[in-house]
Amino acid sequence: QSVLTQPPSLSAAPGQKVTISCSGTSSTLAGNFVSWYQHVPGTAPKLLIYDNDKRPSGITDRFSGSKSGTTATLVITGLQTGDEADYYCGTWDDSLLAGTFGTGTKVTVL
Amino acid sequence: EVQLVQSGAEVKKPGESLRISCQASGYTFTDYWISWVRQVPGKGLEWIGRIDPEDSYTNYSPSFHGHVTLSVDKSINTAYLQWGSLQASDTALYFCARMATTSYHRVWGQGTLITVSS
Repeated sequence: QSVLTQPPSLSAAPGQKVTISCSGTSSTLAGNFVSWYQHVPGTAPKLLIYDNDKRPSGITDRFSGSKSGTTATLVITGLQTGDEADYYCGTWDDSLLAGTFGTGTKVTVL
Repeated sequence: EVQLVQSGAEVKKPGESLRISCQASGYTFTDYWISWVRQVPGKGLEWIGRIDPEDSYTNYSPSFHGHVTLSVDKSINTAYLQWGSLQASDTALYFCARMATTSYHRVWGQGTLITVSS
């Protein structure tokens, strides 16, 4: 049972912007870094953002991340059909002493 | 090239035991934790636990604690996820991933599909 809450689904037309929220608690996002992953079911997840707002090499700047308090946000600009996937936030839970992923958001390109 | 290569798919019966593996290459194995993540078909990603290859210290998600065991063999740069008694609800795709100190996972294995059915 995830303690990071995301909207179940979002959709937008090609070229538009999508904003995915990740709502946590004082024991998760408030004191820990957030990361974001793109996941096509059946394949390995791909790291998009780490340490709140850093992009790994090879990740386009159409993906950006931020965090404020107990809420993190992933923004995808210039939406492309290839961006259709599930997106997850992730962090550490200081109370459970365990990692945790968000509930996941399915992004559909209209 | 930094890689995590997992063992192949398994089909087991309820009550059977199983150990799957994740072999690391291209980096110093003991420099990073190894996490395990589950994806049940149609469901989200679930963090199972992590192990420090240096000293085998572990953290488990409460949802999995007592049902699975994490271990490593440093001599062959390999991490393991083990079940003593599988249940049908363990049917899923399991990933290992390299975990950084700030808890992100940059490198992932290809996944191991476990099917538990009588």
